[in-house]
Amino acid sequence: NAGVTQTPKFQVLKTGQSMTLQCAQDMNHNSMYWYRQDPGMGLRLIYYSASEGTTDKGEVPNGYNVSRLNKREFSLRLESAAPSQTSVYFCASSLGVTGVNQPQHFGDGTRLSIL
Amino acid sequence: AQSVTQLDSHVSVSEGTPVLLRCNYSSSYSPSLFWYVQHPNKGLQLLLKYTSAATLVKGINGFEAEFKKSETSFHLTKPSAHMSDAAEYFCVVSDRSGGSYIPTFGRGTSLIVHP
Repeated sequence: NAGVTQTPKFQVLKTGQSMTLQCAQDMNHNSMYWYRQDPGMGLRLIYYSASEGTTDKGEVPNGYNVSRLNKREFSLRLESAAPSQTSVYFCASSLGVTGVNQPQHFGDGTRLSIL
Repeated sequence: AQSVTQLDSHVSVSEGTPVLLRCNYSSSYSPSLFWYVQHPNKGLQLLLKYTSAATLVKGINGFEAEFKKSETSFHLTKPSAHMSDAAEYFCVVSDRSGGSYIPTFGRGTSLIVHP
């Protein structure tokens, strides 16, 4: 069972570079999420996709864009990386955000450093 | 608006002694509440969830939590700590504010287990 798969696991960027973090789930979940985790801050929601074809901003969307490519895949793009975006990024999925409240399933994270 | 407060950033116990990780929440609706565990360099794993059924919820690895509406609390307990319990623990609240169940994470409690 792969669950939620994130690539890459580690990345170092220079300020101003761009990159895309990839996420795929194989549980036929409707909803997908991107979080960042910083020391002492818990997880903060960047963007989420309630269902295929929709995306919405979370708590900290500035500097990021997302694409829900299909039901399985949800990517996060940094257009012009800044040192403040150094963080651990987690992708998660759940059965849905409407109706019955379901727990989330998480990937193992992408550790991103921006110099 | 929903919010969650984890009252301790660090909890230190000896192996074999009880564990108590405290969580208070705020919600305008009937919330769903979750506890997740994160081991080093890993993603988050669901420990247990409360979704308006029994107020005492049993989870994996011997953990349980009690929902107390009058105290707006959802504390996590375990009778006897094991070395493998050393990890970061997150309390999460989710309600239907805004029409969708979007989780809000606490800042986390680091559980340290001494031999």
